[in-house]
Amino acid sequence: EVQLLESGGGLVQPGGSLRLSCEAYGFTFNLYAMGWVRQAPGKGLEWVSSVSGSGGRTHYADSVKGRFIISRDHSKNTLHLQMNGLRGDDTALYYCARGSGYSPDSWFDYWGQGTLVTVSS
Amino acid sequence: EIVMTQSPDTLSVSPGERATLSCRASQSVSNNLAWYQQKPGQAPRLLIYGASTRATDFPARFSGSGSGTEFTLTISSLQSEDFAVYYCHQYENLPQFTFGPGTRVEIK
Repeated sequence: EVQLLESGGGLVQPGGSLRLSCEAYGFTFNLYAMGWVRQAPGKGLEWVSSVSGSGGRTHYADSVKGRFIISRDHSKNTLHLQMNGLRGDDTALYYCARGSGYSPDSWFDYWGQGTLVTVSS
Repeated sequence: EIVMTQSPDTLSVSPGERATLSCRASQSVSNNLAWYQQKPGQAPRLLIYGASTRATDFPARFSGSGSGTEFTLTISSLQSEDFAVYYCHQYENLPQFTFGPGTRVEIK
């Protein structure tokens, strides 16, 4: 059974940093692209970033480019999102999601339950 | 960036009735379009991919159609468990994926 377990969310001040993690279970991690999608309170879904199965291709939404870094650790079957320069509009529930294939240009077929990031002073 | 729009914002439907949800892309996404269902307090679930292929978890009353810029999600006979928010998602245009704003399907 595919499972994605996010962690690392919390309260952080504007300008601060946070590192999210997503532990993956139930599939061969390095064969699938992975991504992060966020949802601000009461709002819709916003794609944040995706990475290919190998980790060699990464993509970012314009709203986070230059501030967030996506990476994956194949030894630990874990996806990360390093978030720097956090702003109030980064406040959201961050979902980890599996791509349907090796390449990141695909739909998301499994989602975690999310980890909440709150940016506030 | 490809902009996705969905209509209506909210759809009020009685159980057993048909629901038709629309999703439009600002430029062609071919058939690289997915639909997700999200219930309150839950993560989204993949419902449709490739514009018309239903995910295994969902029954045949759900169907997707369309290509290019116009897409439709149809629920042929709404059941109580189908009341949720539905999002479309284009995955044609990396490096910029985009989601639609969602359509809420509520009980009439």
